[in-house]
Amino acid sequence: DTGVSQDPRHKITKRGQNVTFRCDPISEHNRLYWYRQTLGQGPEFLTYFQNEAQLEKSRLLSDRFSAERPKGSFSTLEIQRTEQGDSAMYLCASSPVYRGFYNEQFFGPGTRLTVL
Amino acid sequence: AQSVTQPDIHITVSEGASLELRCNYSYGATPYLFWYVQSPGQGLQLLLKYFSGDTLVQGIKGFEAEFKRSQSSFNLRKPSVHWSDAAEYFCAVGLQGAQKLVFGQGTRLTINP
Repeated sequence: DTGVSQDPRHKITKRGQNVTFRCDPISEHNRLYWYRQTLGQGPEFLTYFQNEAQLEKSRLLSDRFSAERPKGSFSTLEIQRTEQGDSAMYLCASSPVYRGFYNEQFFGPGTRLTVL
Repeated sequence: AQSVTQPDIHITVSEGASLELRCNYSYGATPYLFWYVQSPGQGLQLLLKYFSGDTLVQGIKGFEAEFKRSQSSFNLRKPSVHWSDAAEYFCAVGLQGAQKLVFGQGTRLTINP
């Protein structure tokens, strides 16, 4: 059973640099989500895709952040001109789509970003 | 404003003791309710969920939770904790028509031997 995978697991970067994270969802899952988790807090929703369409973005997703899911499979999250406040765990989750039913989300191990 | 509250930031219990972690939500309608567990450096694992029906739900690892509509609560319980239960626990809600989950702040559970 292959779960959600994320790469890299850890990223250390200097302020002002760009970083990109990758998420591979469970293969039959149509929906893919990104969350951010800062120390001592619960995850906060950033954005989600259904297939390749980005359907919702949080106000937390500033114009320095961009997410893509070009073929409806894996997704990337890019942060441009990183700031120290971007330091967090970035979690990816996926879920299947069943008509008229809310479906549980399966989470990956996360990418921990440290901005120096 | 819509919110999820976990009143206890940190709880310590002895191994073998019972456990109850509290979760309250503030939403206009009955949401979908979840409990997740997160071990250090790991992602989130679903313990249990409530969508409808029986208000007492059973999950993995011997956990259960009870939905109480009148109290807007969804408390997590375990009759006897094991040292391996030490982790961070998150309550989350989802709304029909919306796909995102809204999480509480989390409760860190420490187990004394």
